[in-house]
This record gives sequence, structure tokens and C-alpha cells, in this order.
Amino acid sequence: DGGITQSPKYLFRKEGQNVTLSCEQNLNHDAMYWYRQDPGQGLRLIYYSQIVNDFQKGDIAEGYSVSREKKESFPLTVTSAQKNPTAFYLCASSFWGTNQPQHFGDGTRLSIL
Amino acid sequence: GESVGLHLPTLSVQEGDNSIINCAYSNSASDYFIWYKQESGKGPQFIIDIRSNMDKRQGQRVTVLLNKTVKHLSLQIAATQPGDSAVYFCATVPGGSYIPTFGRGTSLIVHP
Repeated sequence: DGGITQSPKYLFRKEGQNVTLSCEQNLNHDAMYWYRQDPGQGLRLIYYSQIVNDFQKGDIAEGYSVSREKKESFPLTVTSAQKNPTAFYLCASSFWGTNQPQHFGDGTRLSIL
Repeated sequence: GESVGLHLPTLSVQEGDNSIINCAYSNSASDYFIWYKQESGKGPQFIIDIRSNMDKRQGQRVTVLLNKTVKHLSLQIAATQPGDSAVYFCATVPGGSYIPTFGRGTSLIVHP
């Protein structure tokens, strides 16, 4: 079955440490997205990528970095510069250039040790 | 900037009742609207969408209504079931953008 896989489901970060969240899709979608979700809030866009080797900052990109070396993969690194990283991180994908809904993974919950 | 809000953060209903979840948006350039359902610990799932050239769209047990004049969107769930308990998000997409803006969500609680 086609879908989006995020790993790990739970992740713990120590002070000063960078951590990388994985996102893989086999839906042949052009675009991929990373969102942050805090309790009682909607989804806030961190980064998105319309095409391989290209990505754009979203509303809250500070303290995060991404890469898009393959169409299927869009890993997110939470750097030590992100001072409040505890959140639920969601990856999504879609076809770009048409109004179609995004497909989401089941998220990674990041906590600080 | 764009803001998308929900009128009620929590909605409690009895099993079998109809549920209505509302969403107000501010960007008049929005031309694509989506409802998602998110169960605890999972990612959002697509429920139904509607484009700005329509006022109403029906799916299986769900109906979305769009009132562009007052920038209001609603999701109606018929014969609500316990499995419908989740957080429901609306999202709006401005024309030519393809990047949705999400509301805060409404928690739907269905009592057996």
C-alpha cells in the first residue's frame, strides 16, 4: 500500500544535540512538507519542498534544517538552535500545482531529556 | 496574515446525533478548503474537500458547506458514531498557493 512513513515514533533529544526525523513516501508525490503541532494548536509549516534538490522555509523554519536528495525522502533535522523542540512533528506529501489534499504520516513525538 | 479559526474547541454529542463543526477563515483569496480528522497519536486523515465554485459537497455521512460571503465553512457528520471521536481540522488554500493554512481544531467527543 502507498503511504508516508515517519520514524521514529518517539525521539528524545539531549541538550546541545541535533536529531534527525525521517520521512519516506511511496506515493510518487512531488511535494513534501514538515509541520509542527503543539497541544491545542493547528499545524505550523516548518519547511516544504516542491521538487528534488529544492526546498523553501515555512513559517517557523528557525532551528530546523532539511534536505531533499531523493523524491521519496525529506528528512528534518532539529538543531540545537531550536530552543523549544518538544512537539509532535508531522510529515506530509502531495502533488504540486493542483489543489489536492495532503497525505500525512503518523508523526514523531520529540521530547527533551 | 491568514487566520483560520474554529468556533468551538470541544463538541460533545450523543451517538446517533448529527454533528456540525464550524470554521471561519479570513483570507478572501482562499479557493480550496479541506477537512481532516486526527485521532490521538496519529496524523491527520483527509475527510472531504470543496472548491470555491461549490457551496456544498457530500460524502459518506459527511457534508461540507461553504459560505464565501461570510467566509465560513462547516462539516456535518450524520449519525455520529463513537469512532468519529477525534480532532477535526479545517484547512484553507489561497488561489495559486498550494500551501494550506490549518485551524486549531475542534475535539469531537461522541458519547455512547
